[in-house]
Amino acid sequence: EIVLTQSPTTITASPGEKVTITCRASSSINYVYWYQQKPGASPKPWIYDTSKLASGVPNRFSGSGSGTSYSLTINTMETEDAATYYCQQWSSTPWTFGGGTQLELK
Amino acid sequence: EVQLVESGGGLVQPGGSLKLSCAASGFTFSNYVIHWIRQAPTKGLEWVASISPSGGSTYSRDSVKGRFTISRDNTKSTLYVQMDSLRSEDTATYYCSTHSSYGFDYWGQGVMVTVSS
Repeated sequence: EIVLTQSPTTITASPGEKVTITCRASSSINYVYWYQQKPGASPKPWIYDTSKLASGVPNRFSGSGSGTSYSLTINTMETEDAATYYCQQWSSTPWTFGGGTQLELK
Repeated sequence: EVQLVESGGGLVQPGGSLKLSCAASGFTFSNYVIHWIRQAPTKGLEWVASISPSGGSTYSRDSVKGRFTISRDNTKSTLYVQMDSLRSEDTATYYCSTHSSYGFDYWGQGVMVTVSS
């Protein structure tokens, strides 16, 4: 099973600040996918194929990486970005998620 | 508008059974791989099982193999999971989700399953 480790587990950012979340895989994967989840809501697809933004995702978000190291970056933090973000891999079953990074507003 | 509505959750004793349903609308259900994903209280996401568009192929994580059976009825645009021999660690909100290039694309609102005596 491919284990995805996200860091940090929690991050607090002020509006306008740059934020980076990292996702490391226990084995090389082809792509990473990111989901956003807000309290009491279902997750939403956010970034797919490592760097492509899902429909409606603001372009202040970006994704990058390869092999075992991936990241999600918010260029300038906005209030609405406060949420938990999960990375996920499709390279081998079982499909696995990272443990999540809770992004809080300062 | 795509809609996925889960139902069938509740409180069940360890060793008991439950069958969840996911009613789909707003898209051609029979064209899509569909998944069950769960989230234990205050925890992260965990993929549970998947089924091919025809229902001919199914996949599940090891911890539920032999206990959970995923199925679908394309005439009713409905996904199911029969959960037997339930354990406390199966306590979670269960989501159904469609598959697309986005990965897990559309999600239902989730249904809670609590396994406790």
